[in-house]
Amino acid sequence: DIHMTQSPSTLSASVGDRVIITCRASQSLGTWLAWYQQKPGKAPNLLIQQTSILESGVPSRFSGSGSGTEFSLTISSLQPDDSATYYCQQYHLGLTFGQGTKVELK
Amino acid sequence: QVQLVESGGGVVQPGNSLRLSCAASGFTFNRVSMHWVRQAPDKGLDWVATASSDGSKTNHVDSVKGRFTISRDNSRNVLYLQMDNLRVDDTARYYCVKSDCESVDCRLLVHWGQGTVVTVSA
Repeated sequence: DIHMTQSPSTLSASVGDRVIITCRASQSLGTWLAWYQQKPGKAPNLLIQQTSILESGVPSRFSGSGSGTEFSLTISSLQPDDSATYYCQQYHLGLTFGQGTKVELK
Repeated sequence: QVQLVESGGGVVQPGNSLRLSCAASGFTFNRVSMHWVRQAPDKGLDWVATASSDGSKTNHVDSVKGRFTISRDNSRNVLYLQMDNLRVDDTARYYCVKSDCESVDCRLLVHWGQGTVVTVSA
């Protein structure tokens, strides 16, 4: 099984800050990595597929990058609506998630 | 628009069974694989099972193999998860999730239902 490790587990940032969440895989994924956003009490929502392809309707302040075993999700200018938990997910071999990163506003 | 509505959750004792259902609408159900993903209270996401578009191929996570069975009725646009011999650590919200293609290897989770809660407690 491919193991996914996200960091940090929690981060606190101010409105307008640049935020970066990283995701490391135990083996190479190519670019078969997705990012999901989950707000409290809601179902997860697909933000990014295939490492860097934004889903329709996702604000352009979100971006994804990486390949192989190292990936990142960047929020270029944090907004209040971005308070959520973010999960990476590999779909190269099977289907596994990172443990999540909770983003809080200062 | 895509709608996935789960039902069938509840409180059961260890060793008992439940069947979850997911009513799908707003897309061509028999053209996409479907998944169940669960989330224990205040925990992360865990994939549970996948069924191909025609239901002929299924995959289950090792921890539920032999206890849970995913299936689908394409004539009724419904996805199921039969859960037998439930354990306390199966307690979670169970999400029905749509993929973007037909095979069991279609593992991008493009649309999620709101979930149904299963609590296993003595």
